Amino acid sequence: DADVTQTPRNRITKTGKRIMLECSQTKGHDRMYWYRQDPGLGLRLIYYSFDVKDINKGEISDGYSVSRQAQAKFSLSLESAIPNQTALYFCATRRGTSDGEQFFGPGTRLTVL
Amino acid sequence: AQKVTQAQTEISVVEKEDVTLDCVYETRDTTYYLFWYKQPPSGELVFLIRRNSFDEQNEISGRYSWNFQKSTSSFNFTITASQVVDSAVYFCALSDLYNQGGKLIFGQGTELSVKP
Repeated sequence: DADVTQTPRNRITKTGKRIMLECSQTKGHDRMYWYRQDPGLGLRLIYYSFDVKDINKGEISDGYSVSRQAQAKFSLSLESAIPNQTALYFCATRRGTSDGEQFFGPGTRLTVL
Repeated sequence: AQKVTQAQTEISVVEKEDVTLDCVYETRDTTYYLFWYKQPPSGELVFLIRRNSFDEQNEISGRYSWNFQKSTSSFNFTITASQVVDSAVYFCALSDLYNQGGKLIFGQGTELSVKP
Protein backbone atom coordinates (compact mmCIF):
# COMPACT_ATOMS: atom_id res chain seq x y z
CA ASP A 1 0.00 0.00 0.00
CA ALA A 2 1.13 3.56 -0.71
CA ASP A 3 2.65 5.45 2.20
CA VAL A 4 1.03 8.75 1.23
CA THR A 5 -2.44 8.71 -0.27
CA GLN A 6 -4.60 11.47 -1.66
CA THR A 7 -8.30 11.57 -2.36
CA PRO A 8 -9.82 12.27 -4.76
CA ARG A 9 -7.33 11.69 -7.55
CA ASN A 10 -9.31 13.75 -10.00
CA ARG A 11 -12.01 16.31 -9.41
CA ILE A 12 -13.97 18.68 -11.60
CA THR A 13 -15.94 21.37 -9.84
CA LYS A 14 -17.59 24.69 -10.55
CA THR A 15 -16.64 28.20 -9.60
CA GLY A 16 -17.82 29.07 -6.10
CA LYS A 17 -18.02 25.52 -4.81
CA ARG A 18 -16.31 24.40 -1.65
CA ILE A 19 -13.98 21.49 -2.11
CA MET A 20 -11.74 19.46 0.17
CA LEU A 21 -8.69 17.46 -0.81
CA GLU A 22 -7.56 14.84 1.65
CA CYS A 23 -4.17 13.39 2.44
CA SER A 24 -3.29 10.44 4.64
CA GLN A 25 0.09 8.96 5.49
CA THR A 26 1.31 5.82 7.16
CA LYS A 27 4.94 6.88 7.44
CA GLY A 28 4.58 8.28 10.95
CA HIS A 29 6.07 11.60 9.90
CA ASP A 30 5.36 14.76 11.84
CA ARG A 31 5.62 17.24 8.99
CA MET A 32 3.10 17.48 6.21
CA TYR A 33 2.87 19.82 3.25
CA TRP A 34 0.53 20.86 0.48
CA TYR A 35 1.97 22.02 -2.85
CA ARG A 36 0.38 22.99 -6.11
CA GLN A 37 1.88 22.49 -9.53
CA ASP A 38 1.19 24.74 -12.47
CA PRO A 39 2.70 24.29 -15.92
CA GLY A 40 6.06 26.02 -16.18
CA LEU A 41 6.15 26.93 -12.50
CA GLY A 42 7.20 23.78 -10.74
CA LEU A 43 5.66 23.08 -7.35
CA ARG A 44 4.89 25.84 -4.86
CA LEU A 45 4.11 25.51 -1.17
CA ILE A 46 0.58 26.29 -0.02
CA TYR A 47 0.61 25.25 3.65
CA TYR A 48 2.69 23.14 5.97
CA SER A 49 2.24 21.61 9.40
CA PHE A 50 4.73 20.47 12.01
CA ASP A 51 2.08 18.68 14.04
CA VAL A 52 -1.63 18.78 14.81
CA LYS A 53 -1.43 22.12 16.61
CA ASP A 54 1.13 23.81 14.38
CA ILE A 55 -0.05 24.94 10.96
CA ASN A 56 1.64 27.56 8.85
CA LYS A 57 1.12 29.40 5.60
CA GLY A 58 3.37 28.82 2.66
CA GLU A 59 4.07 30.98 -0.37
CA ILE A 60 0.61 30.90 -1.92
CA SER A 61 -1.95 30.33 0.85
CA ASP A 62 -4.56 32.87 -0.26
CA GLY A 63 -7.83 31.16 -1.13
CA TYR A 64 -6.91 27.98 0.75
CA SER A 65 -7.29 26.63 4.26
CA VAL A 66 -6.07 23.45 5.89
CA SER A 67 -6.89 21.14 8.74
CA ARG A 68 -4.60 18.68 10.50
CA GLN A 69 -7.10 16.26 11.96
CA ALA A 70 -4.47 13.84 13.23
CA GLN A 71 -0.79 13.22 12.77
CA ALA A 72 -1.64 11.10 9.76
CA LYS A 73 -4.20 13.37 8.09
CA PHE A 74 -3.87 16.78 6.48
CA SER A 75 -6.71 18.24 4.43
CA LEU A 76 -6.70 21.18 2.04
CA SER A 77 -9.87 23.18 1.44
CA LEU A 78 -10.85 25.63 -1.22
CA GLU A 79 -13.68 27.61 0.36
CA SER A 80 -14.89 29.09 -2.90
CA ALA A 81 -13.10 27.60 -5.86
CA ILE A 82 -12.05 29.79 -8.77
CA PRO A 83 -10.73 28.78 -12.21
CA ASN A 84 -7.14 29.84 -11.51
CA GLN A 85 -7.02 27.21 -8.79
CA THR A 86 -7.09 24.59 -11.51
CA ALA A 87 -3.86 22.71 -10.90
CA LEU A 88 -2.23 19.48 -9.76
CA TYR A 89 -2.06 19.32 -5.98
CA PHE A 90 0.46 17.26 -4.05
CA CYS A 91 0.63 16.30 -0.42
CA ALA A 92 4.02 15.46 1.07
CA THR A 93 5.46 14.28 4.37
CA ARG A 94 8.84 14.56 6.02
CA ARG A 95 10.48 13.37 9.23
CA GLY A 96 11.06 16.12 11.76
CA THR A 97 14.81 15.76 11.74
CA SER A 98 15.99 14.48 8.43
CA ASP A 99 17.87 15.23 5.30
CA GLY A 100 15.04 17.24 3.88
CA GLU A 101 13.63 14.49 1.72
CA GLN A 102 9.89 14.65 1.28
CA PHE A 103 7.63 11.80 0.31
CA PHE A 104 4.89 12.73 -2.11
CA GLY A 105 1.40 11.46 -2.63
CA PRO A 106 0.17 10.62 -6.13
CA GLY A 107 -1.41 14.04 -6.67
CA THR A 108 -4.95 15.33 -7.13
CA ARG A 109 -5.84 16.87 -10.46
CA LEU A 110 -8.38 19.63 -9.82
CA THR A 111 -10.29 21.46 -12.52
CA VAL A 112 -12.45 24.45 -11.65
CA LEU A 113 -14.87 25.41 -14.39
CA ALA B 1 17.22 34.13 -2.05
CA GLN B 2 16.80 30.41 -2.41
CA LYS B 3 16.16 29.52 -5.99
CA VAL B 4 16.41 26.70 -8.50
CA THR B 5 16.68 27.33 -12.21
CA GLN B 6 16.19 24.77 -14.93
CA ALA B 7 16.85 26.79 -18.03
CA GLN B 8 15.81 24.06 -20.46
CA THR B 9 12.04 24.06 -20.72
CA GLU B 10 11.84 21.29 -23.30
CA ILE B 11 14.35 18.88 -24.77
CA SER B 12 13.72 16.47 -27.58
CA VAL B 13 16.13 13.66 -28.45
CA VAL B 14 16.11 10.50 -30.46
CA GLU B 15 16.32 7.20 -28.66
CA LYS B 16 19.86 6.13 -27.67
CA GLU B 17 21.14 9.67 -27.55
CA ASP B 18 22.69 10.96 -24.35
CA VAL B 19 20.98 13.96 -22.78
CA THR B 20 21.93 16.29 -19.94
CA LEU B 21 19.40 18.25 -17.92
CA ASP B 22 20.80 21.35 -16.28
CA CYS B 23 20.06 22.59 -12.79
CA VAL B 24 21.51 25.71 -11.17
CA TYR B 25 20.68 26.69 -7.63
CA GLU B 26 21.10 29.60 -5.26
CA THR B 27 21.22 29.25 -1.51
CA ARG B 28 22.57 31.10 1.49
CA ASP B 29 22.80 27.91 3.53
CA THR B 30 25.97 25.89 4.02
CA THR B 31 23.99 22.73 4.68
CA TYR B 32 21.41 21.84 2.08
CA TYR B 33 20.14 18.96 0.00
CA LEU B 34 19.45 18.69 -3.68
CA PHE B 35 17.00 16.35 -5.34
CA TRP B 36 15.87 15.18 -8.74
CA TYR B 37 12.34 13.95 -9.37
CA LYS B 38 10.78 12.45 -12.46
CA GLN B 39 7.15 13.11 -13.35
CA PRO B 40 5.87 10.71 -16.02
CA PRO B 41 2.68 11.48 -17.95
CA SER B 42 0.65 9.77 -15.23
CA GLY B 43 1.53 12.72 -12.97
CA GLU B 44 3.11 11.22 -9.86
CA LEU B 45 6.50 12.38 -8.65
CA VAL B 46 9.18 9.72 -8.67
CA PHE B 47 12.20 10.33 -6.46
CA LEU B 48 15.50 9.81 -8.29
CA ILE B 49 18.31 11.07 -6.10
CA ARG B 50 19.26 13.07 -3.02
CA ARG B 51 22.63 14.76 -2.60
CA ASN B 52 23.86 16.70 0.42
CA SER B 53 26.00 19.79 0.19
CA PHE B 54 29.04 18.11 1.69
CA ASP B 55 29.20 15.28 -0.79
CA GLU B 56 30.42 16.34 -4.20
CA GLN B 57 31.03 12.88 -5.50
CA ASN B 58 29.31 12.17 -8.76
CA GLU B 59 26.84 9.35 -8.74
CA ILE B 60 25.86 6.80 -11.33
CA SER B 61 22.81 4.58 -11.24
CA GLY B 62 22.41 2.51 -14.34
CA ARG B 63 21.88 4.88 -17.25
CA TYR B 64 21.50 7.86 -14.91
CA SER B 65 24.33 9.98 -13.59
CA TRP B 66 24.53 13.19 -11.64
CA ASN B 67 27.25 15.83 -11.56
CA PHE B 68 27.27 18.06 -8.48
CA GLN B 69 29.58 21.07 -8.56
CA LYS B 70 29.41 23.49 -5.66
CA SER B 71 31.80 25.89 -7.38
CA THR B 72 29.21 26.55 -10.07
CA SER B 73 26.13 25.78 -7.93
CA SER B 74 25.03 23.17 -10.38
CA PHE B 75 23.55 19.70 -10.09
CA ASN B 76 23.18 18.32 -13.60
CA PHE B 77 21.53 15.07 -14.57
CA THR B 78 22.59 12.95 -17.52
CA ILE B 79 20.71 10.09 -19.09
CA THR B 80 22.90 7.84 -21.20
CA ALA B 81 21.41 5.96 -24.14
CA SER B 82 17.98 7.47 -23.63
CA GLN B 83 14.86 5.39 -24.05
CA VAL B 84 11.26 6.27 -24.86
CA VAL B 85 10.31 5.43 -21.26
CA ASP B 86 12.52 8.30 -20.11
CA SER B 87 10.02 10.75 -21.58
CA ALA B 88 8.78 12.80 -18.64
CA VAL B 89 9.11 16.11 -16.86
CA TYR B 90 12.15 16.24 -14.62
CA PHE B 91 12.37 18.52 -11.61
CA CYS B 92 15.39 19.63 -9.68
CA ALA B 93 14.70 20.74 -6.09
CA LEU B 94 16.56 22.34 -3.20
CA SER B 95 15.71 21.85 0.47
CA ASP B 96 15.09 25.07 2.35
CA LEU B 97 15.90 23.51 5.71
CA TYR B 98 15.49 26.63 7.83
CA ASN B 99 12.41 28.23 6.36
CA GLN B 100 8.79 27.33 5.90
CA GLY B 101 9.07 23.99 7.55
CA GLY B 102 11.89 22.78 5.42
CA LYS B 103 10.03 23.08 2.18
CA LEU B 104 11.43 22.01 -1.15
CA ILE B 105 12.09 24.70 -3.72
CA PHE B 106 11.49 23.36 -7.20
CA GLY B 107 12.79 24.42 -10.53
CA GLN B 108 10.36 24.98 -13.36
CA GLY B 109 10.93 21.52 -14.74
CA THR B 110 12.39 20.22 -18.01
CA GLU B 111 10.14 18.24 -20.29
CA LEU B 112 12.12 15.52 -21.98
CA SER B 113 10.74 13.86 -25.07
CA VAL B 114 12.55 10.78 -26.34
CA LYS B 115 11.47 9.76 -29.82
CA PRO B 116 11.90 6.28 -31.24
